[in-house]
Amino acid sequence: KNQVEQSPQSLIILEGKNCTLQCNYTVSPFSNLRWYKQDTGRGPVSLTIMTFSENTKSNGRYTATLDADTKQSSLHITASQLSDSASYICVVSANSGYSTLTFGKGTMLLVSP
Amino acid sequence: GAGVSQSPSNKVTEKGKDVELRCDPISGHTALYWYRQRLGQGLEFLIYFQGNSAPDKSGLPSDRFSAERTGESVSTLTIQRTQQEDSAVYLCASSFAGGRMNTEAFFGQGTRLTVV
Repeated sequence: KNQVEQSPQSLIILEGKNCTLQCNYTVSPFSNLRWYKQDTGRGPVSLTIMTFSENTKSNGRYTATLDADTKQSSLHITASQLSDSASYICVVSANSGYSTLTFGKGTMLLVSP
Repeated sequence: GAGVSQSPSNKVTEKGKDVELRCDPISGHTALYWYRQRLGQGLEFLIYFQGNSAPDKSGLPSDRFSAERTGESVSTLTIQRTQQEDSAVYLCASSFAGGRMNTEAFFGQGTRLTVV
């Protein structure tokens, strides 16, 4: 069964510090991996997409990495801001004729002043 | 429509009553997902539709929960004989699901269900 595991479950950091969120997956056949940000009371919104051939991709202060061999991805947040407080969800797409999405449970990040 | 629309946005119901939650996906999106999110918790998968069929409904927690989708568009999630533990935000997402098409999932704002 396709699965996506995220760690840590929750994280508190001081404003200005960096942090890294992890995503491990067992999804086959792999198509792509997305990181979503979910602000409190809102639906998740896509931050970045990683395909099989991509190792790293940046979106402002967010940098995602992908190791397709070990089936791991990370989301690194640099110089955190209070507005980064949110849940970060890893979503992996499998494609066996049509695409299906498997969602992780998310990492809840709190940036403290 | 321009985005995924869910209704109602908030629903308060008495224990034991039935509720129906609605999701209007983005036009052309064949894949539709229902998730439940309890306060402070992560997404809990409920059911996945590909067109009008549901290849994966393994997340439905009990036979009180059911969902249907008609015309490859609107989906309804029905909870019968609601219990207090059903209180949560119910999120719907839709995406393209064909070949190399963009598989980004777009979420609605959710329905906040409170069972009293």
